[in-house]
This record gives sequence, structure tokens and C-alpha cells, in this order.
Amino acid sequence: GQNIDQPTEMTATEGAIVQINCTYQTSGFNGLFWYQQHAGEAPTFLSYNVLDGLEEKGRFSSFLSRSKGYSYLLLKELQMKDSASYLCAVNSGNTPLVFGKGTRLSVIA
Amino acid sequence: DAGITQSPRYKITETGRQVTLMCHQTWSHSYMFWYRQDLGHGLRLIYYSAAADITDKGEVPDGYVVSRSKTENFPLTLESATRSQTSVYFCASLTRDTTANTGELFFGEGSRLTVL
Repeated sequence: GQNIDQPTEMTATEGAIVQINCTYQTSGFNGLFWYQQHAGEAPTFLSYNVLDGLEEKGRFSSFLSRSKGYSYLLLKELQMKDSASYLCAVNSGNTPLVFGKGTRLSVIA
Repeated sequence: DAGITQSPRYKITETGRQVTLMCHQTWSHSYMFWYRQDLGHGLRLIYYSAAADITDKGEVPDGYVVSRSKTENFPLTLESATRSQTSVYFCASLTRDTTANTGELFFGEGSRLTVL
């Protein structure tokens, strides 16, 4: 099976930088997704990493190390609207697209 | 409009009744997924489908049945609903370009099911 771990909760200050980690154990790795989900809404796409390295999209960046089974989502210049849950999901060969339990981020003034 | 739609958005039913949640996508994506989301558990995969007439169990398939007679539709049926199946259900479809190393999982808006 797959094992995907994320911290349950994080708190950060408006304007700061926060890093949300995701570790995974799986076979047949195809890629890793990050999603943002506000309460009561469907998840929305942030990034998809297939190769090692950092991908930047505006204030959000995502990093992948396949050899370490590790990814992180980096959020810069935090805004109050970034308060949400951040979900990591692994696309693998055995059972595709299993999600971690998500990290609830609270941005405080 | 192109997209992925779920129906009903809200449903209240009683224990023992059969309930079907519908999911329809307009892109002809091969892969489709059903998840349930509960507090403390995150998104858990119920069933997925790689193509029409191909379905596989996910993490929590017990009590659910799926079918995929057409690429665009992926209904989820609770044959005899139980209170533990009270949840928010999300359908999703996957697009992936292995050449460009891009991909995205598109979610429906969710179906909130309450079993009394």
C-alpha cells in the first residue's frame, strides 16, 4: 500500500513564508500533486511534480525528491486567504492518487 | 459547459436505502475517481476507473458499487446506506501528459450525503 504523511496543522504569520512537507512511501511513482482546499469547497489544483527539483508558480513553489520520497509546498508572502487545507497526493502505479490527510494552515495577522 | 459535474449536490436518506451519486465529465478523460471526505481522515479513495468498463477498488470500497459503461459517466452506488457513509463525496477526473510531465486532477463540486 501507500503511506503519505503531512503535518496536521500549521500556523504562520501574514507576509511570512511557510513550508508544508509531505513524505511518501509507494511503488511505481508517477507524480505528486498538491491541492488547496478551503472549508466547504472542492480542492483546487496547485502543482504536479514528476521530476526532481523545484517548480515555481508565483507565490507558490513545489519541490520533489523522488529518492527521498519527499516533497514540500512553499508559500511566500502569506495572505489571510491562504488559510486553507493543503493536500498532497501521490500518483502511483498500484493505487493511483491516494491523498495524505492534509495540512490545515492558519494564517494570522 | 466543459467540466465535471456531480448530482445531487445534497442528499438526505435513511439507513438501508439505495443511493446513487452521479458524476459526469465532458473531457473524455480516461481516469475517474470517487473520494469521500470526513473530518480527521482527509480524502479517501473509494473506487477508481482507468477506462470504460474498467474499475478498481481504492482504500475504502466496502459498501459501495461503481460502474463505467460510458467514458463520461462514473456513478457511485450505496446499495444499503449506513450512518457511517454520511460524508462529502467528490468525483474527479485525471488528465496527464507524460511527455510534457504535466497533469491535473479535476474535482466536481461534491455531493453532501446524510444518512439518518
